[in-house]
Amino acid sequence: NAGVMQNPRHLVRRRGQEARLRCSPMKGHSHVYWYRQLPEEGLKFMVYLQKENIIDESGMPKERFSAEFPKEGPSILRIQQVVRGDSAAYFCASSPSGRSYNEQFFGPGTRLTVL
Amino acid sequence: QQPVQSPQAVILREGEDAVINCSSSKALYSVHWYRQKHGEAPVFLMILLKGGEQKGHDKISASFNEKKQQSSLYLTASQLSYSGTYFCGTENEGGGSQGNLIFGKGTKLSVKP
Repeated sequence: NAGVMQNPRHLVRRRGQEARLRCSPMKGHSHVYWYRQLPEEGLKFMVYLQKENIIDESGMPKERFSAEFPKEGPSILRIQQVVRGDSAAYFCASSPSGRSYNEQFFGPGTRLTVL
Repeated sequence: QQPVQSPQAVILREGEDAVINCSSSKALYSVHWYRQKHGEAPVFLMILLKGGEQKGHDKISASFNEKKQQSSLYLTASQLSYSGTYFCGTENEGGGSQGNLIFGKGTKLSVKP
């Protein structure tokens, strides 16, 4: 049973370009959470999605950031017109249900570097 | 709203014990504990739900004190493999129980031979 997959593992972008980060949840999981982690910092919640629905995007910047989790295929976190401050590790986690008592399984992360 | 973890860092010798605390200013519904090694994904340790329970497996256990709005992680007879940064993730009461966790800044644990 494969774990949570994220790709790419490392992504380098120049300022103004777009970054697309992909997350394939564990088999049977239909709930995905995206987190951002700056060096030496904790994980900051960005967005929570269920298949085809955004449940909570309260942690996501209003501009330039968007997320989706289509019926088929991985969840995608998209960052448009990247700036240096977007450089961070982005983790996704999946869960069988969006309830507090369920463990969230984390993927290996995508490390985004903006030049 | 971010939980406060203490200590920020701790250095142990193999076999020593450690306690990591996670405190919140708000009433908690659940506390999740994770360990992350440098450059890797966080790995789940345990979840504690409102109710003041205590959980544990092997030499790692945790408690959840509702009244104090805090949780503590206990590591006994530490091993080299325990090294890493420990994060608590909390969900406040009334948060809809959706699993949207607010993580503390982490406690860096180093175990030396």
